[in-house]
Amino acid sequence: GAGVSQSPRYKVAKRGQDVALRCDPISGHVSLFWYQQALGQGPEFLTYFQNEAQLDKSGLPSDRFFAERPEGSVSTLKIQRTQQEDSAVYLCASSPRTSGDTDTQYFGPGTRLTVL
Amino acid sequence: QKEVEQDPGPLSVPEGAIVSLNCTYSNSAFQYFMWYRQYSRKGPELLMYTYSSGNKEDGRFTAQVDKSSKYISLFIRDSQPSDSATYLCAMRKGLTGFQKLVFGTGTRLLVSP
Repeated sequence: GAGVSQSPRYKVAKRGQDVALRCDPISGHVSLFWYQQALGQGPEFLTYFQNEAQLDKSGLPSDRFFAERPEGSVSTLKIQRTQQEDSAVYLCASSPRTSGDTDTQYFGPGTRLTVL
Repeated sequence: QKEVEQDPGPLSVPEGAIVSLNCTYSNSAFQYFMWYRQYSRKGPELLMYTYSSGNKEDGRFTAQVDKSSKYISLFIRDSQPSDSATYLCAMRKGLTGFQKLVFGTGTRLLVSP
């Protein structure tokens, strides 16, 4: 079946613009995660949803970052008033369960955001 | 200091070589250890996971955890050009409930034919 998809794949924004990044998880997956991957770095956790509930947003770097998953499927990560330091690849991952020792996260291809 | 340290490489080896990739960590609360492979312009994909100390083998891949030294390794036997990718270690503190994954920076591996 289809994997995790993200759109757009590439986004160029001028400093100060707002952007919205979309994630379509694997159908039926309960958990959804957002990560930020800067150039040459590993992914860093941003936020976690269990169905429509945002259970952890401790990784969001500032109040300019906002994520939602209103119907428990598609999720949107919104960044307001983008800054150059927001330039990174934003990865979305989903997993079928809420927890467990074999809880594999399936990653999408990411959205590469460049802020000029 | 980062919780998880990983040499970024690149690590260049000839086809058929045995590859050793490593991570160290500082937080003894980590219990669950994973290796992900990430090809260029793609998302990470899970290769292996292990719990606590010991070895786990899957085909050409062996994951090793030494909790006493806070050191984990991934060995790749008979490396192939298709193994060329960035390898990320990741770990989490618990098995139940939500525990975020903490990733290393990734090691870029280049296997030449």
